[in-house]
Amino acid sequence: QKEVEQDPGPLSVPEGAIVSLNCTYSNSAFQYFMWYRQYSRKGPELLMYTYSSGNKEDGRFTAQVDKSSKYISLFIRDSQPSDSATYLCAFRGSTLGRLYFGRGTQLTVWP
Amino acid sequence: GAVVSQHPSWVICKSGTSVKIECRSLDFQATTMFWYRQFPKQSLMLMATSNEGSKATYEQGVEKDKFLINHASLTLSTLTVTSAHPEDSSFYICSAAGQGVSPLHFGNGTRLTVT
Repeated sequence: QKEVEQDPGPLSVPEGAIVSLNCTYSNSAFQYFMWYRQYSRKGPELLMYTYSSGNKEDGRFTAQVDKSSKYISLFIRDSQPSDSATYLCAFRGSTLGRLYFGRGTQLTVWP
Repeated sequence: GAVVSQHPSWVICKSGTSVKIECRSLDFQATTMFWYRQFPKQSLMLMATSNEGSKATYEQGVEKDKFLINHASLTLSTLTVTSAHPEDSSFYICSAAGQGVSPLHFGNGTRLTVT
């Protein structure tokens, strides 16, 4: 079983839709949970960073963590064409440790 | 804060030549730098972890003689792809950590094409 599972998509939605992106993980040592956005030919950009179960909201983005189910989600409200990118979930076990990434979900928001 | 810069952003080289990629921390001292590789439509895979002043630690399956990493200062790490082949064509990305700065931020990556 892979440590991180993420559906690669692609996912295509109309502008204004609510987008739900998900990852599951198997390593109980993961304590920190991240979502990155990556535009084509660019490095990943940190979107959300959490370390506990529950929800964290930042503008149109909400990150949800369920440690008991080893499941994390990212919700994007009122999606915009500029949200079109690849979204990667990432995990780590300690504050200065390496990151473990999902494959990324390719999202297209069409006007 | 926590800005990481990579150079060059893209490079094309001939098979058999060597290419050097730089990763710099611009506003903090990076005691640790991480080098990742990403193939098209694939995730980021950690290649090696470098600590300032010591030898890099390579992940299983990564050839240390082919991917030379030097972390000689607290603001600069370099990755040299030696005797490059077309299968080394990929997107190389670094991140850095140190002084309470978590390795969450990445450079903009270097796209290497070997012809």
